[in-house]
Amino acid sequence: KQEVTQIPAALSVPEGENLVLNCSFTDSAIYNLQWFRQDPGKGLTSLLLIQSSQREQTSGRLNASLDKSSGRSTLYIAASQPGDSATYLCAVYDGNKLVFGAGTILRVKS
Amino acid sequence: NAGVTQTPKFQVLKTGQSMTLQCAQDMNHEYMSWYRQDPGMGLRLIHYSVGAGITDQGEVPNGYNVSRSTTEDFPLRLLSAAPSQTSVYFCASSQDTEAFFGQGTRLTVV
Repeated sequence: KQEVTQIPAALSVPEGENLVLNCSFTDSAIYNLQWFRQDPGKGLTSLLLIQSSQREQTSGRLNASLDKSSGRSTLYIAASQPGDSATYLCAVYDGNKLVFGAGTILRVKS
Repeated sequence: NAGVTQTPKFQVLKTGQSMTLQCAQDMNHEYMSWYRQDPGMGLRLIHYSVGAGITDQGEVPNGYNVSRSTTEDFPLRLLSAAPSQTSVYFCASSQDTEAFFGQGTRLTVV
């Protein structure tokens, strides 16, 4: 059974810092991996989708990497801003089914 | 193009009541699914459908029923609500292993 773990569970950083969120999964036979952002009481916003044949994806200040062989993905946020404060969820695809991690709660202090 | 639409956004039920959470998508996706999100646990798969007339159970199906009479709609039914079903419910539709989520239904069972 696929299990997804996100570390750390919570992170508090000063504005301007670069930071890395970690995601690990137990079964390397995944299709795609997707990072989401969730603001309190809101829905899921897709940040980056990494297809199984890719090693990374970039969007603005965000960069996500994927290493299937080691069962790891990282989300790198450059020059963090208070507006980046949210919960970040990692999910791996088992076919079209998603298996989610519990998320990392990020707080960026101004 | 509305994407995935869920109704209602909020609902309070008494124990033992029944209700249906609605989900509709206008992207002609074959795959649709329901997840619940509880604090600290990420999202867990309840039921999914790979096309009209076909449904199957996910990780936490007990207490929920689904049907898929059309490609567009995938309602989730609670036949006899229990306090343990207090949660936030998300519907998703997928194509080629990329998921799109609705904004969620926050359900409280008292």
